[in-house]
Amino acid sequence: SQELEQSPQSLIVQEGKNLTINCTSSKTLYGLYWYKQKYGEGLIFLMMLQKGGEEKSHEKITAKLDEKKQQSSLHITASQPSHAGIYLCGAGGGSNYKLTFGKGTLLTVNP
Amino acid sequence: NAGVTQTPKFQVLKTGQSMTLQCAQDMNHEYMSWYRQDPGMGLRLIHYSVGAGITDQGEVPNGYNVSRSTTEDFPLRLLSAAPSQTSVYFCASSSWPKRYEQYFGPGTRLTVT
Repeated sequence: SQELEQSPQSLIVQEGKNLTINCTSSKTLYGLYWYKQKYGEGLIFLMMLQKGGEEKSHEKITAKLDEKKQQSSLHITASQPSHAGIYLCGAGGGSNYKLTFGKGTLLTVNP
Repeated sequence: NAGVTQTPKFQVLKTGQSMTLQCAQDMNHEYMSWYRQDPGMGLRLIHYSVGAGITDQGEVPNGYNVSRSTTEDFPLRLLSAAPSQTSVYFCASSSWPKRYEQYFGPGTRLTVT
């Protein structure tokens, strides 16, 4: 079965700083999905990456997919307190609907 | 649209009691699933359904039952609660072709004493 490892497990940054979260897969990635979870709430879909080298941005969050390395990175520029939460990567594949998730990265942004 | 709704938000059970966690979606999504989230374990899939009348087991199905009689509802039943089932439970739904862009409910925090 596919496993996703996220690093770091937790991250504390000062407001305005840049940061990167990584997600590495044990198997070939056919699609990588980033979600965000605020404390006490459900997950919210951020973006999807499907092709090697693909890069997508949403506001100040940019995600890239390195298919050869079976890895994706999520970069936040000029972090804000609103970016705080848990970021989870998920991988799908094949003809089913099942997503496998990493354990998440807890981001704290201090004002 | 209300999206995905879950009830109750909080629940405390005693060992051996049974209960049903409710999940409903109003987006006409064919796919619905239940996850549990535990510290250090991440999100783990319990059961899922690809349409009314069709359900299947996920990664951690033991101790849980599901049924899908309508497109909208996907209840999760705990048959005989155990302390190991203390967790936060999330329901999610999606639709083809964006099947991996899943909509999550707000969660049910369950404590079994």
